Amino acid sequence: GAGVSQSPSNKVTEKGKDVELRCDPISGHTALYWYRQSLGQGLEFLIYFQGNSAPDKSGLPSDRFSAERTGGSVSTLTIQRTQQEDSAVYLCASYQGASGIQYFGAGTRLSVL
Amino acid sequence: GNSVTQMEGPVTLSEEAFLTINCTYTATGYPSLFWYVQYPGEGLQLLLKATKADDKGSNKGFEATYRKETTSFHLEKGSVQVSDSAVYFCALRNKAAGNKLTFGGGTRVLVKP
Repeated sequence: GAGVSQSPSNKVTEKGKDVELRCDPISGHTALYWYRQSLGQGLEFLIYFQGNSAPDKSGLPSDRFSAERTGGSVSTLTIQRTQQEDSAVYLCASYQGASGIQYFGAGTRLSVL
Repeated sequence: GNSVTQMEGPVTLSEEAFLTINCTYTATGYPSLFWYVQYPGEGLQLLLKATKADDKGSNKGFEATYRKETTSFHLEKGSVQVSDSAVYFCALRNKAAGNKLTFGGGTRVLVKP
């Protein structure tokens, strides 16, 4: 596609449930990032995939968070046993080194009740 | 580590007024600097960037100059329009940190007719 696509755009879930958020990056972009935008914490890095290298998971807030990237393209961010503090907008970005620019999707707004 | 500090908002202006949003950073090495904009209900969009000292990024009438001596990247626009109402984020990217973006807290700008 022309841009980074994220789904769903909105997700409402109950505390304790698991959720999966999907990101489809720009074709040909080798790097993919997940960020979280929340009222209290601003925009924070979660995890980064670059080609076939091991992901940089240094920003994941707890072991309830995990992500995978299949076939070097689509990525899924999974949050297990969701808590109310997980409510935020989850942003995905893909990056192609030549331009030095990260392109962002519209985000998934997660609300944990 | 890397950090970005930008002025808190909201900033309220009248149309055709001059806008400045201050941004300072702390980083090791030579980061690239960015301004991203988030219009109401939309995702993050790159506004402009600068990759080395004294570079000036510009787009849509906005400008920012990479000042290494003052570790700053202030955003300016000479005459704002109502359509410039948005949240503006200053960010840096450092290869030593895996190219992930470190964001400032964002500044909400409201332009009144």
